[in-house]
Amino acid sequence: QVQLQESGPGLVKPSETLSLTCTVSGGSIISHYWSWIRRPPGKGLEWIGYIYYTGSTNYNPSLKSRVTISVDTSKNHFSLKLNSVTAADTAVYYCARGGGSQDSWGQGTLVTVSS
Amino acid sequence: DIQMTQSPSSLSASVGDSVTVTCQARQDISNYLNWYQHKPGKAPKLLIYGASMLRTGVPSRFSGSGSGTEFTLTISSLQSEDLATYYCQQYHDLPYTFGQGTRLEI
Repeated sequence: QVQLQESGPGLVKPSETLSLTCTVSGGSIISHYWSWIRRPPGKGLEWIGYIYYTGSTNYNPSLKSRVTISVDTSKNHFSLKLNSVTAADTAVYYCARGGGSQDSWGQGTLVTVSS
Repeated sequence: DIQMTQSPSSLSASVGDSVTVTCQARQDISNYLNWYQHKPGKAPKLLIYGASMLRTGVPSRFSGSGSGTEFTLTISSLQSEDLATYYCQQYHDLPYTFGQGTRLEI
């Protein structure tokens, strides 16, 4: 059964770049779409974007100018970078398998944007 | 963006009850709708895809219906482990969007 685990700093300063990695175990990153989704405190889920294992991406237009999702098939992981962060980017960040339907999710990691 | 509106926002029920959550899309999304269950501190779990297709391993007390703009998630014979927040999500158009969630209290 595939498992996903997010990793990265839990605290990021305003205007800096948020960087997270999702390591996939129990399955290959090949032939799948991989997504990032976040949940700000007290709010619902927000789709950030997805990447196909070949590297093609689709992003939420609300974040498109600041977000980059990349994949490393040799390490079986994919990554999220969100630059110029503000307090509004404070959220639990989830990685998941799938593009339209996310059938496996990580537990999520809280990222707080604060000086 | 396609706005997804769930109702109610919270719901209290007892073990054995049947509950229904409604999700309304602002525009026609055919059957491109998922339902997720999210328990506190756990990874969200896909329950239903394609509006009515039960994912393998999900208990049969969960069911989904609807197409176009109106969708429902029904949990029959509620169990204590069903305590969670439930989200609908459309994947008809990018960006994919979620409902605001329905918190179920047992």
